[in-house]
Amino acid sequence: AQSVTQLDSQVPVFEEAPVELRCNYSSSVSVYLFWYVQYPNQGLQLLLKYLSGSTLVESINGFEAEFNKSQTSFHLRKPSVHISDTAEYFCAVSGDRGSTLGRLYFGRGTQLTVWP
Amino acid sequence: GAGVSQTPSNKVTEKGKYVELRCDPISGHTALYWYRQSLGQGPEFLIYFQGTGAADDSGLPNDRFFAVRPEGSVSTLKIQRTERGDSAVYLCASSLSGGGRYEQYFGPGTRLTVT
Repeated sequence: AQSVTQLDSQVPVFEEAPVELRCNYSSSVSVYLFWYVQYPNQGLQLLLKYLSGSTLVESINGFEAEFNKSQTSFHLRKPSVHISDTAEYFCAVSGDRGSTLGRLYFGRGTQLTVWP
Repeated sequence: GAGVSQTPSNKVTEKGKYVELRCDPISGHTALYWYRQSLGQGPEFLIYFQGTGAADDSGLPNDRFFAVRPEGSVSTLKIQRTERGDSAVYLCASSLSGGGRYEQYFGPGTRLTVT
């Protein structure tokens, strides 16, 4: 069975501070890993993804995540946040085999709030 | 091009009534997914279509829920004898193909409220 744990439901930070949103997963098969973002009153958007290759992946707006297979983690980081980063962030896993085929398993989400 | 669209955006219905939720995927996307998001939770998988057929319906909570995609494009999620516990945001997503590596593009969702 697959599951995703986001350890923090809410993360408040001040503008320009660094942030880390934690994500751990469990799976019996190889997985693909995703971070989705949901801005207020908007739909889910893909932020970044790990499929294979380099374990460090980056988004266009300065976020990065590192796949750590031994720790089954895919934490999301940004060295300096902006107020516009305020949103709900969801970690998700998918795969190509069995019950992971195509479907996304989501964590409960982390609400990132950036204060001025 | 247009993204995934869902109608209606909001639906309020009385307990016991029947509802239909519609999803228009991105043109050319063969895979279509339905998820349900309850307050304070992440989206939860309901059903996955590859073309016209349901490839995986293991997430449907019970036999009151049913979904179709008769022509391999538009999909309808149908809920019979609605219950208050069915209140949630129902999300539709589509992807180019059904493998896990393909990005899923989400619609804005339909907020269903059962009174």
